[in-house]
Amino acid sequence: NAGVTQTPKFRILKIGQSMTLQCAQDMNHNYMYWYRQDPGMGLKLIYYSVGAGITDKGEVPNGYNVSRSTTEDFPLRLELAAPSQTSVYFCASSYRQGNTIYFGEGSWLTVV
Amino acid sequence: DQQVKQNSPSLSVQEGRISILNCDYTNSMFDYFLWYKKYPAEGPTFLISISSIKDKNEDGRFTVFLNKSAKHLSLHIVPSQPGDSAVYFCAASTTSGTYKYIFGTGTRLKVLA
Repeated sequence: NAGVTQTPKFRILKIGQSMTLQCAQDMNHNYMYWYRQDPGMGLKLIYYSVGAGITDKGEVPNGYNVSRSTTEDFPLRLELAAPSQTSVYFCASSYRQGNTIYFGEGSWLTVV
Repeated sequence: DQQVKQNSPSLSVQEGRISILNCDYTNSMFDYFLWYKKYPAEGPTFLISISSIKDKNEDGRFTVFLNKSAKHLSLHIVPSQPGDSAVYFCAASTTSGTYKYIFGTGTRLKVLA
């Protein structure tokens, strides 16, 4: 009954540090997404993937990298963390475009 | 350029009454629309969806209406319950092409007991 699992739940980073947010889904979904939500704002798409080995940029990709080596996993890498990357990050998946999209519980990241 | 807009950041409704949340979109290529509910410190959870071939979809207390000519959709919750208090996001997508799910900025619903 796992669905979309994100780790870590909370993290504090110092400016310039790097880290990876992990995301895994067990629903055999082809599409996976990373969104960020800033206070009072909607969800902005960072990167998405339509299948293993295929990734593409969303609305706000700068400062991030992704990879999709398996159907299940879609990690998000932050290189050289900046205060502007303080946000809540949500991983999501769907079977295909135009299907219901399922979200993980979120990862709260603070860059100081 | 905000393709999906929720112009009301907040809404308060009395318990038992109807809640109406609105959403407008600008891109006529969107043909699949979803509503999500989000509690604090949790991920968004799927509520209800509608395809552009329909103008109404019901699921229990929740009904979504789609007006394609006006590029407008609304979520009706009847009767509203205190547990419905949350932030509601609408989202739009296409079933073809390269568009992704585009989300609105959300409406915070407070149901007063």
